[in-house]
Amino acid sequence: DQQVKQNSPSLSVQEGRISILNCDYTNSMFDYFLWYKKYPAEGPTFLISISSIKDKNEDGRFTVFLNKSAKHLSLHIVPSQPGDSAVYFCAARSGGSNYKLTFGKGTLLTVNP
Amino acid sequence: DAMVIQNPRYQVTQFGKPVTLSCSQTLNHNVMYWYQQKSSQAPKLLFHYYDKDFNNEADTPDNFQSRRPNTSFCFLDIRSPGLGDAAMYLCATSRDMADGGYTFGSGTRLTVV
Repeated sequence: DQQVKQNSPSLSVQEGRISILNCDYTNSMFDYFLWYKKYPAEGPTFLISISSIKDKNEDGRFTVFLNKSAKHLSLHIVPSQPGDSAVYFCAARSGGSNYKLTFGKGTLLTVNP
Repeated sequence: DAMVIQNPRYQVTQFGKPVTLSCSQTLNHNVMYWYQQKSSQAPKLLFHYYDKDFNNEADTPDNFQSRRPNTSFCFLDIRSPGLGDAAMYLCATSRDMADGGYTFGSGTRLTVV
């Protein structure tokens, strides 16, 4: 069973507009959430993270929002640029002594010039 | 630049013929992970090493083994590859278990013929 779900396999937006990538999770023990970005033929690279004690974290054009009651997080990219075109993976970390990351299937973002 | 290097990038092996995938790191991180990612699926953790301590996931088949002879290197051994083992294999490192910002290698694409 998937504990981290990215229900949109793909998303297409125009350059300069906002990209919103969504992620849902089922495990209440997750205490830390991360977004990774993956270009073709490269490994995923860490993008931004958020602790479960926060509801927002911002880093330049990237903002992650966490809604614990809904078990939902989203990644906002404003403004979107063609270089943002990649697969974005949502990941969640369990608290306690088990710190392993559980990944979603990823969402392919295409930013059109 | 400090990095995680996986060799080879592409590996073709015969059904049932043992194969070894290699991962090296120059980050001096304590933890090394192996993930399996099949097409359109989430990366799935196979096992990890914290220093010399090996931790196997409960659902990782016995067909998959790993070795970490020193801090820098980690190997994934598939004793008898089946067609279902064709996937991208990703190696990742982190400073410690609580560090969710993994550094990934570019992956090895395994084809079983």
